[in-house]
Amino acid sequence: DAGITQSPRHKVTETGTPVTLRCHQTENHRYMYWYRQDPGHGLRLIHYSYGVKDTDKGEVSDGYSVSRSKTEDFLLTLESATSSQTSVYFCAIKTQGRNTEAFFGQGTRLTVV
Amino acid sequence: AQSVTQLDSHVSVSEGTPVLLRCNYSSSYSPSLFWYVQHPNKGLQLLLKYTSAATLVKGINGFEAEFKKSETSFHLTKPSAHMSDAAEYFCVVSDQRDTGNQFYFGTGTSLTVIP
Repeated sequence: DAGITQSPRHKVTETGTPVTLRCHQTENHRYMYWYRQDPGHGLRLIHYSYGVKDTDKGEVSDGYSVSRSKTEDFLLTLESATSSQTSVYFCAIKTQGRNTEAFFGQGTRLTVV
Repeated sequence: AQSVTQLDSHVSVSEGTPVLLRCNYSSSYSPSLFWYVQHPNKGLQLLLKYTSAATLVKGINGFEAEFKKSETSFHLTKPSAHMSDAAEYFCVVSDQRDTGNQFYFGTGTSLTVIP
């Protein structure tokens, strides 16, 4: 699992409240990603980071922000949660070089009511 | 730009029969290609990957895939399905020259294995 931990694993929140999901890695990888998984869509990229304080938007970034103040932590914030953000969220890291591979966290199931 | 098309959203096979999950990709460069598996309520596990070495790639649990550049395909096969193979399978493309080194996912194929 490349030392990836997501927290919390499950969360129920109310519409309009802010929510922060945390991804922690222990192996000093440069690239980190946040995806959401929804039926019929596979995994879609929300935001990614290519270093401390270096982040960029993915395919479905509206309503989300991220921060990376330390190599090991990548935070995803829903500034004002909506029901359309009910989903399973996965954090990933990517190893570099010829033998590149992505490793995923166990996922966070978020329900917005 | 990269993209992946998984041609079947659902595949159903009988236990002991061959499995074929189809994947076509689009890539501007020389891609790396992957198959990941996700069992119910679990995370994603790498089955196998192609990163410009041998075009026939062997993975875990008896799965293999062949990279065919002329057909832009990377189909996943297994000679004999097992009940434990029932899961969601994702074909993924990536290229290190692509901005952000992103992984692009297909929409997934749900494999059902009938006893």
